[in-house]
Amino acid sequence: EIVMTQSPDTLSVSPGERATLSCRASQYIGSYLAWYQQKPGQAPRLLVYGASTRATGLPARFSGSGSGTEFTLTISSLQSEDFALYYCQQYNNWPLTFGGGTKVEIK
Amino acid sequence: QLQLQESGPGLMKPSETLSLTCTVSDGSTRSSTYYWGWIRQPPGKGLEWIATMYYSGSPYYNPSLKSRVTVSIDTSSNQFSMKMTSVTAADTAVYYCARAITTSGAYFDHWGQGALVTVSS
Repeated sequence: EIVMTQSPDTLSVSPGERATLSCRASQYIGSYLAWYQQKPGQAPRLLVYGASTRATGLPARFSGSGSGTEFTLTISSLQSEDFALYYCQQYNNWPLTFGGGTKVEIK
Repeated sequence: QLQLQESGPGLMKPSETLSLTCTVSDGSTRSSTYYWGWIRQPPGKGLEWIATMYYSGSPYYNPSLKSRVTVSIDTSSNQFSMKMTSVTAADTAVYYCARAITTSGAYFDHWGQGALVTVSS
């Protein structure tokens, strides 16, 4: 199984600043990577698929990049509604696996 | 707008069999485009994929759960379901159903709100 490792565990950022979240796969997954956002008490929401394609309606301040084993989700200017948990997920191979998550909190 | 709604028992005892159903609205489980999946999240922890299925063909299962999990689709009622046998406290989690898009594996573009299942004696 492919192990997905996210870093950091927690990211403290001020509103308006840039946030950079990392996700690493234990083996090559091409661009078969998705990012999700989860707020307390809510289901995850798809943000990005194919490593860099934004989901419908996602603001342009979110961008995904990377391929192979190293991936990044960047939020260019954090808004209040962006403080949440973020998960990456690989879908190159079965079983599907998620990273452990990065919490983006207000600094 | 596609909606998914999980329904399940809430509280269970160890060794019982968990049955969950996901009802799909404004979408069809018989779609030739989409798959359907189950994911769970223990309280305060991360996401764990359980299974993904199509309206025809064999489902994909997480090997760590495969011996205890069975999934199925009822296209006539636009629902899909999951059964998990011999539950323990470790199976306490919020269980999500979701629509899956498959290219190689699958990612999930629409999720239900989740159903909390607590296993306790």
